[in-house]
Amino acid sequence: AQKITQTQPGMFVQEKEAVTLDCTYDTSDPSYGLFWYKQPSSGEMIFLIYQGSYDQQNATEGRYSLNFQKARKSANLVISASQLGDSAMYFCAMRGVTGGSYIPTFGRGTSLIVHP
Amino acid sequence: KAGVTQTPRYLIKTRGQQVTLSCSPISGHRSVSWYQQTPGQGLQFLFEYFSETQRNKGNFPGRFSGRQFSNSRSEMNVSTLELGDSALYLCASSSDRQSYNEQFFGPGTRLTVL
Repeated sequence: AQKITQTQPGMFVQEKEAVTLDCTYDTSDPSYGLFWYKQPSSGEMIFLIYQGSYDQQNATEGRYSLNFQKARKSANLVISASQLGDSAMYFCAMRGVTGGSYIPTFGRGTSLIVHP
Repeated sequence: KAGVTQTPRYLIKTRGQQVTLSCSPISGHRSVSWYQQTPGQGLQFLFEYFSETQRNKGNFPGRFSGRQFSNSRSEMNVSTLELGDSALYLCASSSDRQSYNEQFFGPGTRLTVL
């Protein structure tokens, strides 16, 4: 079975500073994908970044980067230069084979609040 | 390009009833996935449809079912509603090439079971 753990229920950061949101995962599948999503208070999930298990380079998308440490089974999200609009819930997820189906598993999320 | 749309946005039902939720994917997307989000269980995958066929399935009872039409629109049905089915139901679409990389989510349908 696959599992995602996000140990930080809430995080606070000052505007313009960088912040790291932690995510560890567990799977026996050698081929998997790791994702981060943002969910503002409006409820809509927004895709941020993807990392494949065989990707050699850490994924980056604008101000978002994924710090992928395969041996440690961690996939931390780094947001540089935080903005007030970054305040939201952030979910780490992975997609791998479970019971014959290729399904996504989500963590419980981290609530990020950006202070001015 | 229009985003993923879900109807209705809010729904109130009573125990024992059944409900049908609708999802229209982004034009050109052939994959539609459904998720349930609750405070207690978090975000859980229900099932995924691709070209009218269920491609992947999560661990939910048979009361939860879905289908996809030839225009890629999808419906999700829950029969014999229970109080625990109260949740935000999210639909997501992706193109066939990006099926496992990037999904675009709709605003969700908030279902309340009384």
